[in-house]
Amino acid sequence: TQLLEQSPQFLSIQEGENLTVYCNSSSVFSSLQWYRQEPGEGPVLLVTVVTGGEVKKLKRLTFQFGDARKDSSLHITAAQPGDTGLYLCAGTLDGADGLTFGKGTHLIIQP
Amino acid sequence: DSGVTQTPKHLITATGQRVTLRCSPRSGDLSVYWYQQSLDQGLQFLIHYYNGEERAKGNILERFSAQQFPDLHSELNLSSLELGDSALYFCASSGHRGNTEAFFGQGTRLTVV
Repeated sequence: TQLLEQSPQFLSIQEGENLTVYCNSSSVFSSLQWYRQEPGEGPVLLVTVVTGGEVKKLKRLTFQFGDARKDSSLHITAAQPGDTGLYLCAGTLDGADGLTFGKGTHLIIQP
Repeated sequence: DSGVTQTPKHLITATGQRVTLRCSPRSGDLSVYWYQQSLDQGLQFLIHYYNGEERAKGNILERFSAQQFPDLHSELNLSSLELGDSALYFCASSGHRGNTEAFFGQGTRLTVV
């Protein structure tokens, strides 16, 4: 059983379109992070959200943490080919150690 | 560049063998985490060391072990290797005991043949 379910698993869209990817769980997380990973590289941290309902913006990326701290979303506005990659959500369960990762969303932005 | 260095980048070995993966954390970071990434399981937490002491174990097999040395570098030892151990192994470092800021190395790709 995957604690963090990401959807969609694959997404291919045209440059300039908007998209949202989701990260859902039935468990409560004390914090949640989003990473981007490119082939042959390690995940790179994009953002950390810690408060239920929190919204953070990073240029064209908007991250939201659910009120109940069980889910999160990543919205990209006007996607660019450079946004292509594997987007991973990862969370810290209350009282636990180590990050729990979702399986990721493979995003391809076509020129 | 995350500041976390992993060696080697690639490793090919035979079943039954033992290998050691090395990780140097970012300067000043006391925490080192090891993760395994496979196509079917995704990224799985293996073990966490903080300032030389084991803090937590995740889905780590008994054939695997790790340690963190006084200079804070860490090694992950994988023994009696099986085909299914083929995966990417990442270490991540953090300046805190918690997981709010984890910086990953480029990983070691292990292939067991």
